[in-house]
Amino acid sequence: AQSVAQPEDQVNVAEGNPLTVKCTYSVSGNPYLFWYVQYPNRGLQFLLKYITGDNLVKGSYGFEAEFNKSQTSFHLKKPSALVSDSALYFCAVRGAYSSASKIIFGSGTRLSIRP
Amino acid sequence: EAGVTQFPSHSVIEKGQTVTLRCDPISGHDNLYWYRRVMGKEIKFLLHFVKESKQDESGMPNNRFLAERTGGTYSTLKVQPAELEDSGVYFCASSPQGLANTGELFFGEGSRLTVL
Repeated sequence: AQSVAQPEDQVNVAEGNPLTVKCTYSVSGNPYLFWYVQYPNRGLQFLLKYITGDNLVKGSYGFEAEFNKSQTSFHLKKPSALVSDSALYFCAVRGAYSSASKIIFGSGTRLSIRP
Repeated sequence: EAGVTQFPSHSVIEKGQTVTLRCDPISGHDNLYWYRRVMGKEIKFLLHFVKESKQDESGMPNNRFLAERTGGTYSTLKVQPAELEDSGVYFCASSPQGLANTGELFFGEGSRLTVL
């Protein structure tokens, strides 16, 4: 069965510091991995995805994520956090041979950046 | 270009009443999805339309939930009768076929349902 775990409900970081939001997954076969962000009173917004190729993928707003097959992880990172990065972040996965319907989301991690 | 729009943004009803949520996808997006987030937990898949056809409805919790997409444009999700555990945020998402194959979805702002 497919699953996604986001072990941290909340991550607090000072502005200008690097940030990491953790995600681990379980899926049969090769994974398609995604990060979505939800700003207050907004819908979820696609941030980045890993399908194949380079393990380090770059997305919107300076975010990047690293696919680690051996650790089944897809952590979201940013070298220097901004207050405007404060939002709810969701990791998602589906198996390469699953239908597009079967995208499994994590429970979300609230990122809080203090000035 | 307009994004995915959902109505109402918030609905408060009593147990046993009926509620209908509406989703207008981005024009031209054949794929339409309904998801639900309950009590701050994970976002769970409910069902997937391709045009007017239900491609996958394996996530629908029970027969109190009915989704339709007549004409392949907007979709409605009806809950009848509503129960307390139905409270949550219902998200609609759409995607064109090319992006749907790799899971890149465009979400609406969600409809928050509170059942008292």
